[in-house]
Amino acid sequence: GAVVSQHPSWVICKSGTSVKIECRSLDFQATTMFWYRQFPKQSLMLMATSNEGSKATYEQGVEKDKFLINHASLTLSTLTVTSAHPEDSSFYICSARTGNTGELFFGEGSRLTVL
Amino acid sequence: QKEVEQNSGPLSVPEGAIASLNCTYSDRGSQSFFWYRQYSGKSPELIMSIYSNGDKEDGRFTAQLNKASQYVSLLIRDSQPSDSATYLCAVTYTGGFKTIFGAGTRLFVKA
Repeated sequence: GAVVSQHPSWVICKSGTSVKIECRSLDFQATTMFWYRQFPKQSLMLMATSNEGSKATYEQGVEKDKFLINHASLTLSTLTVTSAHPEDSSFYICSARTGNTGELFFGEGSRLTVL
Repeated sequence: QKEVEQNSGPLSVPEGAIASLNCTYSDRGSQSFFWYRQYSGKSPELIMSIYSNGDKEDGRFTAQLNKASQYVSLLIRDSQPSDSATYLCAVTYTGGFKTIFGAGTRLFVKA
């Protein structure tokens, strides 16, 4: 299967700071990537769809000014959590498709802890 | 609102038994169906995809799809302790681009 790499795998930051998470497709080009958030013992919640060369599409209830997404190339999308607060602590996971089958390949995930 | 429903479990089966995981979805326009496995603290990994009615087998895994009943299942034969994980059912809708995930079923395989 396709390989998606995510970095960092875990990060601890102080409240009010910003954190950037990178998502890379290593062996394929991804025009679209997806960012999910997962709280403990809950399912994946889609936050936004990241489109190469254009603005991301955010799901209802997700603040676009707080969760900045940039998809500058066909292999890299970044999620920046701005002015992070403890309630933003979560497991953030990116994913990408290789074609039109709908199969998603996930990065390793990034566990964010905001103190 | 499109929904994907799963029994949260936990489902506990003895080693060597068949584990049966079920999923229903709300929209008849659904096109593609997937099962992902997620170990605790890890991201999901794709284990099965199915697109047409019937059964699809891959090793110890069999996915079953019944579009008339809006029902998808996953059978795991000869269950192993290493199969203990949360299994997520996912559906992609016709004309849509997003994948909707169920809440997942926690499976425990007892040695």
